[in-house]
Amino acid sequence: DAKTTQPPSMDCAEGRAANLPCNHSTISGNEYVYWYRQIHSQGPQYIIHGLKNNETNEMASLIITEDRKSSTLILPHATLRDTAVYYCIVCHSFGNEKLTFGTGTRLTIIP
Amino acid sequence: DVKVTQSSRYLVKRTGEKVFLECVQDMDHENMFWYRQDPGLGLRLIYFSYDVKMKEKGDIPEGYSVSREKKERFSLILESASTNQTSMYLCASSSGVRAAMNTEAFFGQGTRLTVV
Repeated sequence: DAKTTQPPSMDCAEGRAANLPCNHSTISGNEYVYWYRQIHSQGPQYIIHGLKNNETNEMASLIITEDRKSSTLILPHATLRDTAVYYCIVCHSFGNEKLTFGTGTRLTIIP
Repeated sequence: DVKVTQSSRYLVKRTGEKVFLECVQDMDHENMFWYRQDPGLGLRLIYFSYDVKMKEKGDIPEGYSVSREKKERFSLILESASTNQTSMYLCASSSGVRAAMNTEAFFGQGTRLTVV
């Protein structure tokens, strides 16, 4: 039972903002939204997470809707090195639970 | 720098062999996970452990077992390897209940296992 749904693939022009959507309509009140990415031949890498407020770090911004049923990861100025598979997952920040990844969104940055 | 280390990057084993994949983390994390990754199927959770000697089945545990005798080490065992277990295997760790706010998972580089 998938907790999140993401488009299978997206393209974005180099230098533009990449906006990756994620639906998590069954998210519970104490579950966080986490984003990871996986560059070819490497293990997934943490990007950002949030509960209900928008978050920003040196890699990306996370926008969570007020009802928390969806979110958007924003890479403000995409580069060719941002080509990767991006995973959106929901889980409790604390707690002993399985981390379930889906199939993610394959983002291709086009020169 | 935090680290999750998997013992082998590439491994070739014969059908029927018993295979051990080892994972070690140096962050004193409570939680550890084993995933396999196949084209078009994303990352699928095999087993996870939230404490020493504790284990929980993930989504695809059949054909696998795990061992966590020490906090830093989580082993995935293929009791009798089969060709359909050819895959990329990824280990991860994360902080547990007693940790502070940042509980993101850290992944190893993966072990590409081929069963012939």
